[in-house]
Amino acid sequence: DAGITQSPRHKVTETGTPVTLRCHQTENHRYMYWYRQDPGHGLRLIHYSYGVKDTDKGEVSDGYSVSRSKTEDFLLTLESATSSQTSVYFCAISEILAGGRADTQYFGPGTRLTVL
Amino acid sequence: AQKVTQAQTEISVVEKEDVTLDCVYETRDTTYYLFWYKQPPSGELVFLIRRNSFDEQNEISGRYSWNFQKSTSSFNFTITASQVVDSAVYFCALTSGFGNEKLTFGTGTRLTIIP
Repeated sequence: DAGITQSPRHKVTETGTPVTLRCHQTENHRYMYWYRQDPGHGLRLIHYSYGVKDTDKGEVSDGYSVSRSKTEDFLLTLESATSSQTSVYFCAISEILAGGRADTQYFGPGTRLTVL
Repeated sequence: AQKVTQAQTEISVVEKEDVTLDCVYETRDTTYYLFWYKQPPSGELVFLIRRNSFDEQNEISGRYSWNFQKSTSSFNFTITASQVVDSAVYFCALTSGFGNEKLTFGTGTRLTIIP
């Protein structure tokens, strides 16, 4: 199993409060990703990182920011949480192949976030 | 734009029956990768297979097999002699273009194996 941990695993917060989710990897993989999973939508990409301090937006990035100051950590921040951000959040990692393509993505255990 | 369609929202079969999960994809790129992931009731996402667009050979791994057909843009997944442990949500996913950064998932098929 890929060495990926997410913290916290469960969180309940109130509307308007800031929330930070952490993803930590021990694989030294270059790429890291944040997804959210909602019923009827599958998983959707929020942001991803292709190196330290290098990030880009995904499909549903509004209301989220990310930071990556070390290879092993990728943080997802909800600046002011809303009820629509209640979801299960998954972190994923992947290595880079020859030619610059990213390899298969492996997922962390997920964080269940409830915004009341 | 790329899209993955899993038209089967839920499937139930009796244990030991064979079951096929359908996946249809759309992409304008000639180079792409297709994936299947399994999400058991415990919630984690487990990688099952990756297939690139240049390799149309079917793949078999134990009771699992995958049928990739570019002519119909499909990448179907068959479980033979299903078992209760196969009960899970199965996701088909696609990535195309230069990198694998933008992995697009289908909405998943919930498979229930009835003992």
